[in-house]
Amino acid sequence: QIQLVQSGPELKKPGESVKISCKASGYTFTDYAMHWVKQAPGKGLKWMGWINTYTGKPTYADDFKGRFVFSLEASASTANLQISNLKNEDTATYFCARSEPGDWFAYWGQGTLVTVSS
Amino acid sequence: DIQMTQSPASLSASLGETVTIECLASEDIYSNLAWYQQKPGKSPQLLIYDASSLQDGVPSRFSGSESGTQYSLEINSLQSEDAVTYFCQQHHDYPYTFGAGTKLELK
Repeated sequence: QIQLVQSGPELKKPGESVKISCKASGYTFTDYAMHWVKQAPGKGLKWMGWINTYTGKPTYADDFKGRFVFSLEASASTANLQISNLKNEDTATYFCARSEPGDWFAYWGQGTLVTVSS
Repeated sequence: DIQMTQSPASLSASLGETVTIECLASEDIYSNLAWYQQKPGKSPQLLIYDASSLQDGVPSRFSGSESGTQYSLEINSLQSEDAVTYFCQQHHDYPYTFGAGTKLELK
């Protein structure tokens, strides 16, 4: 069955970096784009952007340009999200989500909680 | 950016009732609207896509409709497990945007 399994929770200090992984299984990784979604504690969902898993080209929403990097380890069917120079407001759960051809999200990772605190 | 105004923010209903949640898009999104259910501490689950198409495995008591730029999610015969949070999402144009969410509670 199709699964997206994300890496575990992270506790970081302001200014540090974090890398979250999302390992896909049960389908051909390069056939579907991978999106990233942020959910701050008790808040709604915010789309961060996506990565073309065939070409590796990332597209970022405006609020996520600069410190956020989407990357792939295609041989391992894994998508990564790296956040540098962490700020308190980066404290959130980050989800990867596979998009269907019409760009709705039928499959989601379980989420990775990143806590930024001094 | 396309704004998705979701209402109500919270809703209280009884078992067996029918409830409706709405999302108003700030511009035409051509039926490119999805609805998700999110249980506490879990990832969102797709209910409806393309405004009215039911995702495989989702109970038929969930349905979606549209009227112009207003989109609706209807839940018939409310069950206890439906008392969670719902989000709409436009998948028409970047940046994809979500409604603020509706928390459904049981009376």
